[in-house]
Amino acid sequence: KQEVTQIPAALSVPEGENLVLNCSFTDSAIYNLQWFRQDPGKGLTSLLLIQSSQREQTSGRLNASLDKSSGRSTLYIAASQPGDSATYLCGIKEAAGNKLTFGGGTRVLVKP
Amino acid sequence: SAVISQKPSRDICQRGTSLTIQCQVDSQVTMMFWYRQQPGQSLTLIATANQGSEATYESGFVIDKFPISRPNLTFSTLTVSNMSPEDSSIYLCSVEDRGGSSYNEQFFGPGTRLTVL
Repeated sequence: KQEVTQIPAALSVPEGENLVLNCSFTDSAIYNLQWFRQDPGKGLTSLLLIQSSQREQTSGRLNASLDKSSGRSTLYIAASQPGDSATYLCGIKEAAGNKLTFGGGTRVLVKP
Repeated sequence: SAVISQKPSRDICQRGTSLTIQCQVDSQVTMMFWYRQQPGQSLTLIATANQGSEATYESGFVIDKFPISRPNLTFSTLTVSNMSPEDSSIYLCSVEDRGGSSYNEQFFGPGTRLTVL
C-alpha cells in the first residue's frame, strides 16, 4: 500500500526566500506525481505534473523534481511572495485512471 | 483542461438529515472521483464513479452512507446520508483529463464545505 509523507507539516519564511517542500513515498512503481496548492476552505489547484519517466518539471518560479529510486519529490518555489501562502499537497497515482494518494500537506506562510 | 463546478459550495445541516452534492464537468470524462477532506486532514478517496456502472467504494465507505449517481459523462452526485457531526468535511469532486500536456492529469472542483450540527 502506497504511503505518502510530506515534511515539514508547516513552514514560515520571509518574503523573497526560496521554498523547498518535500514529498516521500514508499512504492516507487508510480504512474505520475502531481503537486497541488490549496487555499483555506477551497479546492485544489494543480501546479505541476511529473510523469514516471520524467525527472523534473518547471513552470515559472516553480520547479518539481522526481527521484523514484529514492521515493522522493521536491517542489522548489523561487523568490517566495506572500501570495504563495497556502497548503501544498503532493498526490501520487499508481496507474492511469486510478485514485491519487495524498500526503498530509505542507502549510506555508510567507511573511511580508 | 477540465473545469469543474460543485453545488452547493457550503451548507450547514442538522444531524440525521441528508445532503446531495452535485458535480458538473465542462467536458465528457470517463472517471469521476469523490474525495473527503476532514478538518486539518489531507484528502481521502470515498469512491470512483464510472458512467453506466456502480460506483466503486474505498475501504471504510459504504453505498448506504454515500450513494453516488453518474447519469452521464459530465455529471455526478454524492449524497451524504443520515449525517452526524463526524461528517463535517470538505467534499471534493475530481476528474482525470488531458491537461495542457499530453498526459492524464487530475483536476478538482472547488469543494463543498459541509458542517453538521
